[in-house]
Amino acid sequence: DSGVTQTPKHLITATGQRVTLRCSPRSGDLSVYWYQQSLDQGLQFLIQYYNGEERAKGNILERFSAQQFPDLHSELNLSSLELGDSALYFCASSQLAGVEDTQYFGPGTRLTVL
Amino acid sequence: GIQVEQSPPDLILQEGANSTLRCNFSDSVNNLQWFHQNPWGQLINLFYIPSGTKQNGRLSATTVATERYSLLYISSSQTTDSGVYFCARNAGKSTFGDGTTLTVKP
Repeated sequence: DSGVTQTPKHLITATGQRVTLRCSPRSGDLSVYWYQQSLDQGLQFLIQYYNGEERAKGNILERFSAQQFPDLHSELNLSSLELGDSALYFCASSQLAGVEDTQYFGPGTRLTVL
Repeated sequence: GIQVEQSPPDLILQEGANSTLRCNFSDSVNNLQWFHQNPWGQLINLFYIPSGTKQNGRLSATTVATERYSLLYISSSQTTDSGVYFCARNAGKSTFGDGTTLTVKP
């Protein structure tokens, strides 16, 4: 158990809908990262937050948004869902914001868009 | 952008065999991790190894930062070692390789 929790574990929804994925980092970790893993794209970095502020942005679509709250948990919002958004979404956390830091991954949320 | 190449893409071993997985980077290595994704999809942190050598049981890893590559060694493989092994470089934006899919047969 990495100490990173994600809810829900599974989510099935329809095209056009909006969903929210939640992540709680390990105790003491200030950084949260979001990743998308789909069959054809591999593991793609979406976005990183450090202590409530956006730190780095990857291949995140405009339909997606994220935030980190004062208690350090984070939410990833996915809207106007398309079939291609079906994927495993991972959250990871680390102590710091810098490059020299170890990331620990949560169990993931499996999103299915029908 | 930064390229991360892993080889081989697939590896099939008999239980008890040894293996070496490789990760090449197109840019400098200052933060490198190895992960194992088990058949249930869970990503498990194996090593944080920006340089040098580390060992953990039957697994060890070596990163040669000046040559921009890292190696993951698995000795006396077991069926529970099956899954996908990823290396990842974090330099602001994390970049993962495509992974090596390892199948260990009993």
